[in-house]
Amino acid sequence: GAVVSQHPSRVICKSGTSVKIECRSLDFQATTMFWYRQFPKQSLMLMATSNEGSKATYEQGVEKDKFLINHASLTLSTLTVTSAHPEDSSFYICSARMSTSPTIYFGEGSWLTVV
Amino acid sequence: GQNIDQPTEMTATEGAIVQINCTYQTSGFNGLFWYQQHAGEAPTFLSYNVLDGLEEKGRFSSFLSRSKGYSYLLLKELQMKDSASYLCAVRDRGNTGFQKLVFGTGTRLLVSP
Repeated sequence: GAVVSQHPSRVICKSGTSVKIECRSLDFQATTMFWYRQFPKQSLMLMATSNEGSKATYEQGVEKDKFLINHASLTLSTLTVTSAHPEDSSFYICSARMSTSPTIYFGEGSWLTVV
Repeated sequence: GQNIDQPTEMTATEGAIVQINCTYQTSGFNGLFWYQQHAGEAPTFLSYNVLDGLEEKGRFSSFLSRSKGYSYLLLKELQMKDSASYLCAVRDRGNTGFQKLVFGTGTRLLVSP
């Protein structure tokens, strides 16, 4: 079946630095990818929706200059957390859907720890 | 905007049946998903409903009533491994026209022997 891969699965970075998380659809073309953040014991919170070739649509309260999303191809979207702070430490999950199916597939998630 | 409600926690016994309810309010409903999520892992897809009625898949069934803004996930013959969070998610067209998936708070299910 369809697979979405995220990398890295875990990353530790220093406060003030930037970190990039990749989301790849491995065997299908993803016209739309979603980025979520999940704090411990809470549900997934949608951060932004990215469509290939166009600017991402950010949810209210999500800083677009801090969380840079690039969906340059039909199989790759990246989330860059710029000038990371400890409060950005969270579980980040991407998901993707193909244009021909309603099902949305999730990546394995990326644990970000900012120290 | 969107509003999706689920019970926070439920408990059940191994071998029993449990029903997890989800009510929603959205401006551009375009389908409802149920996901299972074990702690520290990404959600896994369980079911998708876009039309009214019951969708059955093995031990799991999902029901949708669009007029009532209501769905439930039914788990039969519960197993210990079913202890997880169950997330109700609604696909919404949104104001921009782009479809997005919005999650409820999730229901933590604990299955006991």
